[in-house]
Amino acid sequence: DAGVIQSPRHEVTEMGQEVTLRCKPISGHDYLFWYRQTMMRGLELLIYFNNNVPIDDSGMPEDRFSAKMPNASFSTLKIQPSEPRDSAVYFCASSTGLAGGIRTDTQYFGPGTRLTVL
Amino acid sequence: GENVEQHPSTLSVQEGDSAVIKCTYSDSASNYFPWYKQELGKRPQLIIDIRSNVGEKKDQRIAVTLNKTAKHFSLHITETQPEDSAVYFCAARAGGFKTIFGAGTRLFVKA
Repeated sequence: DAGVIQSPRHEVTEMGQEVTLRCKPISGHDYLFWYRQTMMRGLELLIYFNNNVPIDDSGMPEDRFSAKMPNASFSTLKIQPSEPRDSAVYFCASSTGLAGGIRTDTQYFGPGTRLTVL
Repeated sequence: GENVEQHPSTLSVQEGDSAVIKCTYSDSASNYFPWYKQELGKRPQLIIDIRSNVGEKKDQRIAVTLNKTAKHFSLHITETQPEDSAVYFCAARAGGFKTIFGAGTRLFVKA
């Protein structure tokens, strides 16, 4: 398995532009997480899905942020309009609630998207 | 709200010495405590975890202890090696899958 796949790996955009980050979870995983990492705020959970349904979006900072999971193999995080303070590394992670009938909690992180908003 | 505090923020040890990182959590309903290692420019990776029904867990040079009464948990790395140098994050999770991370500890292992 290729692991969690994220694209793009780097994104540089100008303030006010729309940004879309993409994630493909590990096949068979039914949980998907979006995190943001900055030096100031550390690693923050933005939103997570279970079976494509958003379960907790309390970490989404503003209405400018939105996330979707149209199917089990794809999710997007959109920022519109983007602002310089959105500059961060955005990680997607996936997890499976059960493995071999046993509860498992390991989250597997993707390589991240480094977003720079000028 | 839920909070996880992690100390120290930076830790420097000599190769072969032990390193200890401590965390406290606020949500008494927390029942799962993972530790992640993140090397520079890389993704966080799980290195060990512990559930609330266990007081200690060990995996080779790494061990984690949990004190539910005090809401403390700690990571212990013995016989440190230069490749252990990284940022380590503790985390706590209560119901569901919402995981709260500590601020991280930057560990330097000097050869």
